[in-house]
Amino acid sequence: NAGVTQTPKFRILKIGQSMTLQCTQDMNHNYMYWYRQDPGMGLKLIYYSVGAGITDKGEVPNGYNVSRSTTEDFPLRLELAAPSQTSVYFCASSYSGQGGNSPLHFGNGTRLTVT
Amino acid sequence: AQKVTQAQTEISVVEKEDVTLDCVYETRDTTYYLFWYKQPPSGELVFLIRRNSFDEQNEISGRYSWNFQKSTSSFNFTITASQVVDSAVYFCALSEIRGSQGNLIFGKGTKLSVKP
Repeated sequence: NAGVTQTPKFRILKIGQSMTLQCTQDMNHNYMYWYRQDPGMGLKLIYYSVGAGITDKGEVPNGYNVSRSTTEDFPLRLELAAPSQTSVYFCASSYSGQGGNSPLHFGNGTRLTVT
Repeated sequence: AQKVTQAQTEISVVEKEDVTLDCVYETRDTTYYLFWYKQPPSGELVFLIRRNSFDEQNEISGRYSWNFQKSTSSFNFTITASQVVDSAVYFCALSEIRGSQGNLIFGKGTKLSVKP
């Protein structure tokens, strides 16, 4: 039981490049989330999904896209990388919604630098 | 507006000292959950505790204890006899309950350094 697995761990992008951050979970959780963490700040929700085929925007969705074709996978795509997207990205999953009775299980994070 | 404030940005203690991390929240809802997460230097986020708004009982788990007071909108976290391994950033979070969808709001975190 690996929990939530994120790849890659680190990435450096040039401005304007694209990339996909991968996230997979093996706990059969319906709910999955992408957060970003900037230095000295808490986590901000980018996108979330309540099940395969269903996604919705969080607090800071601009510049990102997601898809959820399976229960296990929830990739995050950056189309045109900008320096403002330099951050640490966390994927998380939960049995019920964030407002519900189950905590989030987080991946180990992806540290992204855009130069 | 919903908000979580962790006024202590950084705390430094010497091993075996007790330390309390403060968390004050604002919400219009009467039903909500509060959480604490730990982020050690390795970077992952580890769930510590969840408390719902109807349960004001304090909780103790080993050296960790949590004091939830609705009257002051606070959910403080105390580590007794701190250890070097407790060094981490600790996040308090507030979750509103709206059907099956909620919004988890994190504080900015308190960085705890425990020195030997």
